[in-house]
Amino acid sequence: AQKVTQAQTEISVVEKEDVTLDCVYETRDTTYYLFWYKQPPSGELVFLIRRNSFDEQNEISGRYSWNFQKSTSSFNFTITASQVVDSAVYFCALSVPPPSGGSYIPTFGRGTSLIVHP
Amino acid sequence: DSGVTQTPKHLITATGQRVTLRCSPRSGDLSVYWYQQSLDQGLQFLIQYYNGEERAKGNILERFSAQQFPDLHSELNLSSLELGDSALYFCASSVYVGVGYTFGSGTRLTVV
Repeated sequence: AQKVTQAQTEISVVEKEDVTLDCVYETRDTTYYLFWYKQPPSGELVFLIRRNSFDEQNEISGRYSWNFQKSTSSFNFTITASQVVDSAVYFCALSVPPPSGGSYIPTFGRGTSLIVHP
Repeated sequence: DSGVTQTPKHLITATGQRVTLRCSPRSGDLSVYWYQQSLDQGLQFLIQYYNGEERAKGNILERFSAQQFPDLHSELNLSSLELGDSALYFCASSVYVGVGYTFGSGTRLTVV
């Protein structure tokens, strides 16, 4: 069965600091998808990125970057020059092929609460 | 606006009651997923429908049921409610089974 571990329950930083949120996943499948979602205080889940297991290229989007390393089963998320608006809970998720047809169902980590102080 | 619409946004009800949560998927998406988010359990997958048919079941209680209608909207029915059912219930949709899940803003259920 697949599993996602976000060991950091809460991270507190001061604005403009860089911060990395860790995500470690477990699966025996060779094909899978990884995701990051943001949940701001308003409660909605906002999609940030999707990465498939065959694409280990790191990705950068503005102040956000993601480091995918299959060798360590990690998909870490870095925010550069953090801002107060980045304060939210961030979830990492893993989606693997179903055992016998059917659907990919994303499994979520417990989330990391990021607090950015002004 | 994600394109996935959930109603109502908030719901307060008493123990033992029954409620219905509604979800309209993003236009063109055939799959609907229901998740429950509670403080102690995190985001738990409940059930998934694809084009009107149930496709996957997760940790869904027998007191809970769901369906997807021909217009692709879905409803999650929660009955004999208990205090522990208080949670944020999310619906997500995707264009095909596999990837690209878009979440609605959730329904916050409070059972008193």
